[in-house]
This record gives sequence, C-alpha cells and structure tokens, in this order.
Amino acid sequence: AQTVTQSQPEMSVQEAETVTLSCTYDTSESDYYLFWYKQPPSRQMILVIRQEAYKQQNATENRFSVNFQKAAKSFSLKISDSQLGDAAMYFCAYRSARGGADGLTFGKGTHLIIQP
Amino acid sequence: EADIYQTPRYLVIGTGKKITLECSQTMGHDKMYWYQQDPGMELHLIHYSYGVNSTEKGDLSSESTVSRIRTEHFPLTLESARPSHTSQYLCASSESGAGGSWYNEQFFGPGTRLTVL
Repeated sequence: AQTVTQSQPEMSVQEAETVTLSCTYDTSESDYYLFWYKQPPSRQMILVIRQEAYKQQNATENRFSVNFQKAAKSFSLKISDSQLGDAAMYFCAYRSARGGADGLTFGKGTHLIIQP
Repeated sequence: EADIYQTPRYLVIGTGKKITLECSQTMGHDKMYWYQQDPGMELHLIHYSYGVNSTEKGDLSSESTVSRIRTEHFPLTLESARPSHTSQYLCASSESGAGGSWYNEQFFGPGTRLTVL
C-alpha cells in the first residue's frame, strides 16, 4: 500500500515571501500521479497543482511550483510571493495509474499561516 | 454551473439515528468518491463508484453504505449513527478517461460536518 508523509504539521511565512512544503511518499509502482490540494478554512478542497510521474519536468502553475524527485520519492510544493489568500491546509496526495485503484491517498496535511 | 453539492453542510444527531448524506454533481462525471476527514484533518477513502450500480469499499473500513442509482447522485447512509462516526465527510467526483492527469483530478464538494451525540 502507498503512504504519503507530510512532516510539517504547520508552517508560517511572511506575506510576499517564499515557502516550501515538503511531501514524501512510498510506493513500489513506477507510474502514478501526485497532487497538491488546498483546503481553506470552511471551504472546498481545490486542486493546486498536479504532476505525472513519467514526466521529468517539474509542474508550475503561476506562483506554485513543485520539486519532483522521483528517485527520492519526494514532491515538495513551493509557493512564491505568498499572499494572505494562500492561508489554508495543504494536502499532498498520490494516485496510482493502475486501473481499478482509483482513490487518492492523502498525507496528514500542513497548515500554512501567512503573516501580514 | 457545473459543480458538486453536499447536503446538509452541518448535522447534529443523537445516537442510533439513521442518516443519509447527500452528494450530487452536475459535471457528468462517472467516478464518485466519499472521504472521511477526522478531527486531525487526515482524509481517508471510504467508498467509491465507477458508475451507475457500481460501488466499492475504500481503504478505511466504514459502517456506512452507499448507492449509485443515477450518475449524478451518490448518497451515503449510516443505519445507526454512533459518536465514533463524528467526522467531516467529503464527496468528490472525477471523469473517466484513458491516461493523462486531466482525468485524474478529483473535484470536491464542500463537505458535511457530522456530530453524533
């Protein structure tokens, strides 16, 4: 079974600064997908960024980028120019590319605080 | 507007009651999921469905049951609620499709926060 580990229960960053959230995972599969989801307080979970394991290039979405190290099974999220609206729980998630195994395996989440 | 809805948003009930948590999506997605989010915020898959008349149990054992009679509707039922069922329940959906991360994004509803006294 796959596991996802987020070792930082809480992170704090000054507005406009850069912060990196860490995520490691354990799997014996070679093909899979990785995601970062954001859950603001009392609001819906939304996708921040995704990465396909077979792609070497790191995904980027505006101020959000990942550092995907497949050999190390590491998938960190970098948020540049942090904004107050970035404050939320961030979840790293894994999904197998194998047919029939369909749900997401989540980490325990990192609570991101933005200091004005 | 295409979206995924959950009702009720909050529910406080007594032990032993039967409850149904509703989930509907208007995106035409074949795949639907239920996750349980404990007070420590960790999420666990408890049920999923590939389409009408398809239901499967997830990674976390749950006393709840689900049904999928219509594509857009995926309700979750607890026959006899207990305090251990107190949690947030998130419903999600995704497209079916061969390959590509686009087909793997799951869209989440706002959640139902259940408290069993």
